[in-house]
Amino acid sequence: EPEVTQTPSHQVTQMGQEVILRCVPISNHLYFYWYRQILGQKVEFLVSFYNNEISEKSEIFDDQFSVERPDGSNFTLKIRSTKLEDSAMYFCASSDHDGTGGGEQFFGPGTRLTVL
Amino acid sequence: LAKTTQPISMDSYEGQEVNITCSHNNIATNDYITWYQQFPSQGPRFIIQGYKTKVTNEVASLFIPADRKSSTLSLPRVSLSDTAVYYCLVGISTGGFKTIFGAGTRLFVKA
Repeated sequence: EPEVTQTPSHQVTQMGQEVILRCVPISNHLYFYWYRQILGQKVEFLVSFYNNEISEKSEIFDDQFSVERPDGSNFTLKIRSTKLEDSAMYFCASSDHDGTGGGEQFFGPGTRLTVL
Repeated sequence: LAKTTQPISMDSYEGQEVNITCSHNNIATNDYITWYQQFPSQGPRFIIQGYKTKVTNEVASLFIPADRKSSTLSLPRVSLSDTAVYYCLVGISTGGFKTIFGAGTRLFVKA
């Protein structure tokens, strides 16, 4: 069964450093997402991406964040200057639906980011 | 996107049927209702989606009344492994754009 993969599984960084979280969505999917989940809290939407551009973003997704699909398989989330409050689990998801009638998102296993 | 309200937590015993109800009073005409399950330290996993009446798959059923202002996820004969957080989402964007998760319902299944 195809699945979304994410690397690394755990990233530890110093405050102010840049981090890049990587995701490989399911190969025939067209819609890509990043979410984060602070420990013990709900899943929070960050950004959706379609046709090589951002479709929607939340208020969390400020100028410190960027996303990119550098090739045909990877989807990355960059945090330019990490803060302590960026410590969370980051999930990537993908779907093949065009959004007009709902659809299933497939989530990766997550990257746990710890900012010291 | 329609706001959803679910119970914060529920307890059940193995072998019982569990029904989790979600309220979405301001659901829009084109909105679908989707449920996800999340285990600790894992990403959410799609369970079921519906628009109206009843939908059933191999793991759950989804009951949606005619006014669509609420929906009920039904898990038949739960086991210990069904202990998880269950999220109800409403919106056409569950397929393509912005997806808003609520606080979810934490289900505890006891032996």
